[in-house]
Amino acid sequence: QQQVKQSPQSLIVQKGGISIINCAYENTAFDYFPWYQQFPGKGPALLIAIRPDVSEKKEGRFTISFNKSAKQFSLHIMDSQPGDSATYFCASLTDSWGKFQFGAGTQVVVTP
Amino acid sequence: DAGVTQSPTHLIKTRGQQVTLRCSPKSGHDTVSWYQQALGQGPQFIFQYYEEEERQRGNFPDRFSGHQFPNYSSELNVNALLLGDSALYLCASSPSVLQETQYFGPGTRLLVL
Repeated sequence: QQQVKQSPQSLIVQKGGISIINCAYENTAFDYFPWYQQFPGKGPALLIAIRPDVSEKKEGRFTISFNKSAKQFSLHIMDSQPGDSATYFCASLTDSWGKFQFGAGTQVVVTP
Repeated sequence: DAGVTQSPTHLIKTRGQQVTLRCSPKSGHDTVSWYQQALGQGPQFIFQYYEEEERQRGNFPDRFSGHQFPNYSSELNVNALLLGDSALYLCASSPSVLQETQYFGPGTRLLVL
């Protein structure tokens, strides 16, 4: 059962637009929150991750915003490109051994 | 570096059969985790192997078992297959010194008929 709630389930954005995906978590045992990108037929690939000692982390066009008090974090994809079309998963680390809980995923489609 | 590899890529079985999936971790990684990803869902943690032992387990029945070999490669076995076991099975490897940094393989697509 998912204890990381991810929304929206899908979104369509025009090329150059901003994609925003939100996640809410319940378990606060360990503070590490990654986002994974998955293309059809491939395994998830680590995209960007944050530890909540900072409220925001940016890597290129991808930014994570973190709100510890609200137990929420989000992924912003700036200047979205057709190559960004994929399914994105947020995750929450639940212990020190690397057990993750994943959100249900958001399918992003970037139109030309 | 070959990254995480899994075999086979696809598999078709019938109910009641048994299946074995294989995973070779990324070079330098000694910890292997297995996940089940149903269609349209996020990965669900099955179990994790470290030093050839099952270190922790998710909410999966005993029909799911595994093994880790001295070279850190791993197997996932599923007995008495059910239709609901149809899914993408993902292997993720990580170094023990940085457990949260997990690299996923391409997965094995299992279809149970």
